[in-house]
Amino acid sequence: EIVMTQSPATLSVSPGERATLSCRASQSVSSNLAWYQQKPGQAPRLLIYGASTRATGIPGRFSGSGPGTEFTLTISSLQSEDFAVYYCQQYNDWPLTFGGGTKVEIK
Amino acid sequence: QVQLVQSGAEVKKPGASVKVSCRASGYSFTSYAMHWVRQAPGQGLEWMGWITAGSYNTRYSQKFQGRVTITRDTSANTAYMELSSLRSEDTAVYYCARVGFRGYTVNHFDYWGQGTLVTVSS
Repeated sequence: EIVMTQSPATLSVSPGERATLSCRASQSVSSNLAWYQQKPGQAPRLLIYGASTRATGIPGRFSGSGPGTEFTLTISSLQSEDFAVYYCQQYNDWPLTFGGGTKVEIK
Repeated sequence: QVQLVQSGAEVKKPGASVKVSCRASGYSFTSYAMHWVRQAPGQGLEWMGWITAGSYNTRYSQKFQGRVTITRDTSANTAYMELSSLRSEDTAVYYCARVGFRGYTVNHFDYWGQGTLVTVSS
């Protein structure tokens, strides 16, 4: 099983600042990585797939990088609606696995 | 527009089974695979299994092998996830999620159901 490790667990950021979230895979997942945003009481929402492709309707302030084992989600200028939990997911191999999440909170 | 609408919350006793439904609309149901993911209270996301688009093949996480069954009814545009021998640790929100590319069994999930809370308690 591919283990996905996200860091940090919590990120405190001021509105307007840049946030950088990391996700490490225990072995290469190529570009088969997605990022999701989840707000309390809601289902996850797809942000990025293929490591760097923004999903439909996702603002340009969200960007992703990879491939391989080290991935980054960058939010260039945090807006109030961006404070949430973010998960990475690999779909390169069965079983599909998620990282433990990074909570982005208001500083 | 694409929608995945799940059945309502359930309360079950330990040892019982639960069957959660996921009704799809707004797209060709038979062209996209469906996965199930769960989330225990305050915890992260855990993948459970998938059912393919056309051939109805399934594959499950080993953690749930033998307890989970995923099916689909094309006449009703609905996917189902049944989990048996429930225990308190199965208390979670269960989500269905559509694979983002037509014809692919495994890829990112572009649409999610709203979630179904299953509570297991004596």
